[in-house]
Amino acid sequence: DTEVTQTPKHLVMGMTNKKSLKCEQHMGHRAMYWYKQKAKKPPELMFVYSYEKLSINESVPSRFSPECPNSSLLNLHLHALQPEDSALYLCASSQGHTDTQYFGPGTRLTVL
Amino acid sequence: GQQLNQSPQSMFIQEGEDVSMNCTSSSIFNTWLWYKQDPGEGPVLLIALYKAGELTSNGRLTAQFGITRKDSFLNISASIPSDVGIYFCAGPTHNAGGTSYGKLTFGQGTILTVHP
Repeated sequence: DTEVTQTPKHLVMGMTNKKSLKCEQHMGHRAMYWYKQKAKKPPELMFVYSYEKLSINESVPSRFSPECPNSSLLNLHLHALQPEDSALYLCASSQGHTDTQYFGPGTRLTVL
Repeated sequence: GQQLNQSPQSMFIQEGEDVSMNCTSSSIFNTWLWYKQDPGEGPVLLIALYKAGELTSNGRLTAQFGITRKDSFLNISASIPSDVGIYFCAGPTHNAGGTSYGKLTFGQGTILTVHP
């Protein structure tokens, strides 16, 4: 089973709202990732967690705040977003951070 | 930094035709990954290649890891309407010391349209 789940599927939020995206995997993977993807473009890496510790932050604005409560869960907390942050947000996981990554279905985020 | 040049950017084909797309790089990659993405969904791994020269099939899909480790191709035989989507090649990004730290380099994608 190579399933990564993400909730919600769609999210619409105002620029003053606080919301969270959730990602879960039960494959025993120890590395988890957040990506941002604009239409017809490749995914862009935001954060990498390895063994529940943040190992890479690709200079992401602080209005995006990741959290890894345990080895199966990854959250992305959103606050004071801008309309240009509207995108498909993808979670991925891999056995280790050098291994093949498996993606979730994504959350379509719209910021009004 | 490392870059992957993926071609063609888009393809319009008739159902039943074969498809070929490729990725090239000026840098060596130790792994080549091919993903397919349907609209509004996440990328789905099609084929992973781990060894130079490796030729791997997955149903109607065949992919090869170039012997120079700087290129890979993906072929789809006898295309069907559900093959429509964006296909991405990807490989682990390495730092100057050759260490991979979890970041993937992606090609720009090939948009495939299949006419019934």
